[in-house]
Amino acid sequence: DVKVTQSSRYLVKRTGEKVFLECVQDMDHENMFWYRQDPGLGLRLIYFSYDVKMKEKGDIPEGYSVSREKKERFSLILESASTNQTSMYLCASSSFSGAKETQYFGPGTRLLVL
Amino acid sequence: DQQVKQNSPSLSVQEGRISILNCDYTNSMFDYFLWYKKYPAEGPTFLISISSIKDKNEDGRFTVFLNKSAKHLSLHIVPSQPGDSAVYFCAASRMDSNYQLIWGAGTKLIIKP
Repeated sequence: DVKVTQSSRYLVKRTGEKVFLECVQDMDHENMFWYRQDPGLGLRLIYFSYDVKMKEKGDIPEGYSVSREKKERFSLILESASTNQTSMYLCASSSFSGAKETQYFGPGTRLLVL
Repeated sequence: DQQVKQNSPSLSVQEGRISILNCDYTNSMFDYFLWYKKYPAEGPTFLISISSIKDKNEDGRFTVFLNKSAKHLSLHIVPSQPGDSAVYFCAASRMDSNYQLIWGAGTKLIIKP
């Protein structure tokens, strides 16, 4: 079974703080994704990566950056947290082989920015 | 501009009856459509998918129907069970966009005992 883990389930941060969200997958997947989920808006793609040290902007990259130094780990960074970044953050991974379109998700991190 | 739309924010169905969740899309270039299920405080889990070259895919109690001319797909759950209460997301992907997923807003399904 694919396992995607996220470093924290719940986080509370103050405006202006730098926030790190970590994601690790154990299935040697090439692709990794960061989404945020907000009520009524579905999942919106922040950044994705198809390989180590590679990153591509998604639909809403502003205020975020990412890092992928190892294949299994994909980090999301909020350089200076703001209240409008309060959300559920979901990490996912997928493979170039097999069911390429199927993404596997971690449990999510609920971030509250005060 | 939402390319994938789920127009019903919520749906309530009696246990044992059929649940039908709907999804519309605007981009005729989508190759694959997927349904994900999400419980509160958990990540979405893959449920069932369908290729754009098919019109039906079945997996146990779950069947997805695709009507390409209407750009519409639906998920049927028969019979509905209490454990099916969750938010259901419809998603679509394109091979030429490296299988990135475009997501609908989700439909909350409530199964009444």
